[in-house]
Amino acid sequence: QQQVKQSPQSLIVQKGGISIINCAYENTAFDYFPWYQQFPGKGPALLIAIRPDVSEKKEGRFTISFNKSAKQFSLHIMDSQPGDSATYFCAASRRNAGNMLTFGGGTRLMVKP
Amino acid sequence: EAQVTQNPRYLITVTGKKLTVTCSQNMNHEYMSWYRQDPGLGLRQIYYSMNVEVTDKGDVPEGYKVSRKEKRNFPLILESPSPNQTSLYFCASSLRSGFNSPLHFGNGTRLTVT
Repeated sequence: QQQVKQSPQSLIVQKGGISIINCAYENTAFDYFPWYQQFPGKGPALLIAIRPDVSEKKEGRFTISFNKSAKQFSLHIMDSQPGDSATYFCAASRRNAGNMLTFGGGTRLMVKP
Repeated sequence: EAQVTQNPRYLITVTGKKLTVTCSQNMNHEYMSWYRQDPGLGLRQIYYSMNVEVTDKGDVPEGYKVSRKEKRNFPLILESPSPNQTSLYFCASSLRSGFNSPLHFGNGTRLTVT
């Protein structure tokens, strides 16, 4: 079974809107939660990451919200742009397991002009 | 340019015919890893290597082999490919294995086994 569940599988947002992608995890030993962005024909690239000692991290238009008690975290893309159209993956890893990431199933985001 | 290079980009083969997908990085990274990407399942780790001559299984190692004889190269070997290994494969590397070292991915190899 997937240890990191991601939803929705696909998302269509109008330009300027807010895109929200959610992830839930089961393993309480996870303590590093990155998001990766993947454009067609390319490999994923790290977008933003959070550790559970903070509840929110913001970088430009991208924000991760983290709810430790609910074992959930989400990516918010403010003022979504057509250039944000990509597949987004959440991931998690255990303490001291660094880059041995467990990925969610991915969300294909389309931002309509 | 700093990059992870995979070859080939596309590969069509038949069941049982041994194949190798090459991966090379020019960033002097210690950590390298192979993932497969399947719709709805995200990326799943096949094998990883903490450093030269040190490799270990990921979540889905069955049917795959790897070797790390040099720091820059980490080939993925399918001794006897089967149709269930049809997938999109990614090689990735990072300076170290810790979470402060982001993974750098190659552009992928799309494998079809008939």
